[in-house]
Amino acid sequence: NAGVTQTPKFQVLKTGQSMTLQCAQDMNHEYMSWYRQDPGMGLRLIHYSVGAGITDQGEVPNGYNVSRSTTEDFPLRLLSAAPSQTSVYFCASSYRSPGLAGSYEQYFGPGTRLTVT
Amino acid sequence: KQEVTQIPAALSVPEGENLVLNCSFTDSAIYNLQWFRQDPGKGLTSLLLIQSSQREQTSGRLNASLDKSSGRSTLYIAASQPGDSATYLCAVKTRDSGAGSYQLTFGKGTKLSVIP
Repeated sequence: NAGVTQTPKFQVLKTGQSMTLQCAQDMNHEYMSWYRQDPGMGLRLIHYSVGAGITDQGEVPNGYNVSRSTTEDFPLRLLSAAPSQTSVYFCASSYRSPGLAGSYEQYFGPGTRLTVT
Repeated sequence: KQEVTQIPAALSVPEGENLVLNCSFTDSAIYNLQWFRQDPGKGLTSLLLIQSSQREQTSGRLNASLDKSSGRSTLYIAASQPGDSATYLCAVKTRDSGAGSYQLTFGKGTKLSVIP
């Protein structure tokens, strides 16, 4: 059981380049989400998904796209990288219990450190 | 909009001391509250999860309490050790009106240093 995995661990991009950050979980969690962590700002939600085929925006979605074609994978796409997207990106997952919605623990991946020059 | 505040932002204590980290939140309609530990350059490790119906949770030297009505939680660390040095984050889960799901709102963390 690998938990939540993220690739790559580190990435440097030039302004305007695009790329995809990968996230996968093997716990059969319905709920997956992406956060960015910046000094002095804490963790902020970018996008989330409550199940395959369903995604929604979080607090800071601009410049990012997501899709959820399978339960296991939730990639985050940067369409045209900007220096303001330099950050550490974390993927997280949890169960989504219909009876006690939101009761379950969140599990986080190890993060991707992205630098945009 | 839910806001989570953690005080103090940084704390330095000598080894062996008991300490308390504080977390407050503005919207008391939460599902649960979770405490995390983050080591430098690493991801988040879950320490304790308190459901909205619970008052406290314990794990080893850690004890977390929740007072939902006053919007407060504390993380108590007994007999601190240098290995406890890390940033501690609290996060509350509240209903998201958008997709009928929920969102996790984080505080900015307390950076703890335990001096040998």
